[in-house]
Amino acid sequence: DVKVTQSSRYLVKRTGEKVFLECVQDMDHENMFWYRQDPGLGLRLIYFSYDVKMKEKGDIPEGYSVSREKKERFSLILESASTNQTSMYLCASSPTGTSYEQYFGPGTRLTVT
Amino acid sequence: EDQVTQSPEALRLQEGESSSLNCSYTVSGLRGLFWYRQDPGKGPEFLFTLYSAGEEKEKERLKATLTKKESFLHITAPKPEDSATYLCAVWGSGAGSYQLTFGKGTKLSVIP
Repeated sequence: DVKVTQSSRYLVKRTGEKVFLECVQDMDHENMFWYRQDPGLGLRLIYFSYDVKMKEKGDIPEGYSVSREKKERFSLILESASTNQTSMYLCASSPTGTSYEQYFGPGTRLTVT
Repeated sequence: EDQVTQSPEALRLQEGESSSLNCSYTVSGLRGLFWYRQDPGKGPEFLFTLYSAGEEKEKERLKATLTKKESFLHITAPKPEDSATYLCAVWGSGAGSYQLTFGKGTKLSVIP
């Protein structure tokens, strides 16, 4: 079974803090993704990586950065957390080729106060 | 721009009452359509991939079908444990083809 793990299920941070969210997958997938999910807005892509050290902006990259130093690990960084970044953050991975289904982690519920 | 619309937004069924969820899409060159199940507070769980019109996939009480404009997720004799939000997503071959486009989901409640 594909397994995607995220470093925290729940996280509470203060405005202005730097926040790191970690994601690890064990299926040797080339592609990894970070989404946020908010009620009424659905899933929105923040960043995508198709290879080590490679990244592409998604639909809402402002206020975020990412790092992928190893194939299995993809980190999301909130440079200076703000209250409007309170959300559920979901990491996903997928293979490359004709099969592109994404497998999601359990999510991190981040609250910024 | 790829678009996905799911209907209804919410559906309440009695246990055993079969029904269907709809996913309508517009996409530049469909490469795949995906169904996910999401329980509250958890990440989406992958269910099915459909690649071409006429294709069907089944898993327990769920069957997914695909036409050129929409997909249906049929739920036969649902049980309370089928209660969840069901998400549909498409993978197109247009600009931004690394992205899936997700619908906002149908929240299914199955009442005992």
